[in-house]
Amino acid sequence: DQQVKQNSPSLSVQEGRISILNCDYTNSMFDYFLWYKKYPAEGPTFLISISSIKDKNEDGRFTVFLNKSAKHLSLHIVPSQPGDSAVYFCAASRGGAGNKLTFGGGTRVLVKP
Amino acid sequence: EAGVAQSPRYKIIEKRQSVAFWCNPISGHATLYWYQQILGQGPKLLIQFQNNGVVDDSQLPKDRFSAERLKGVDSTLKIQPAKLEDSAVYLCASSLVGRAYEQYFGPGTRLTVT
Repeated sequence: DQQVKQNSPSLSVQEGRISILNCDYTNSMFDYFLWYKKYPAEGPTFLISISSIKDKNEDGRFTVFLNKSAKHLSLHIVPSQPGDSAVYFCAASRGGAGNKLTFGGGTRVLVKP
Repeated sequence: EAGVAQSPRYKIIEKRQSVAFWCNPISGHATLYWYQQILGQGPKLLIQFQNNGVVDDSQLPKDRFSAERLKGVDSTLKIQPAKLEDSAVYLCASSLVGRAYEQYFGPGTRLTVT
């Protein structure tokens, strides 16, 4: 039972353009969402998060949008840079920010110079 | 500040053999997590410790996997006997208590079972 899904396994984008990564979830009890970035041979690192009381959170080039009614969130990277090439994981938790994370399957992003 | 340390980084074993992974969390982080990441999938939580007590091991295959965190610091994850489907990256992460959203991950151990 995959409660968090990332339906696009890969994404290729030109440097300077926007990257849009999507994530869907099924458990309506999830109330905190995160994006992690992972380079090869390294562990995931936290990128950005959003609480269910918000619909948007922005941090520099990264913006996360949450649509609770659709159980959908997205990550926008603008402008995309070659260093953004990595695997991005969406994760969700329930019962506040302190509870365990459920991860999606990841989207591999390739930013072409 | 030193990050989460894991060893070994790579391990190749034959099926039915046993293997152990070691993790040293960030100093002061009472919560420690072990994840299994199969190729093409996201990390799946196997077990979560708070200090040396188990908080959640609902997805740990207890017939072959075991984990301990003696003294509430370092942790070991053991597989005995290994199966082909155990081939994966095993990630260790740590966080302050109640801050699962601020987990810091180690580099992982890539296990190949042949």
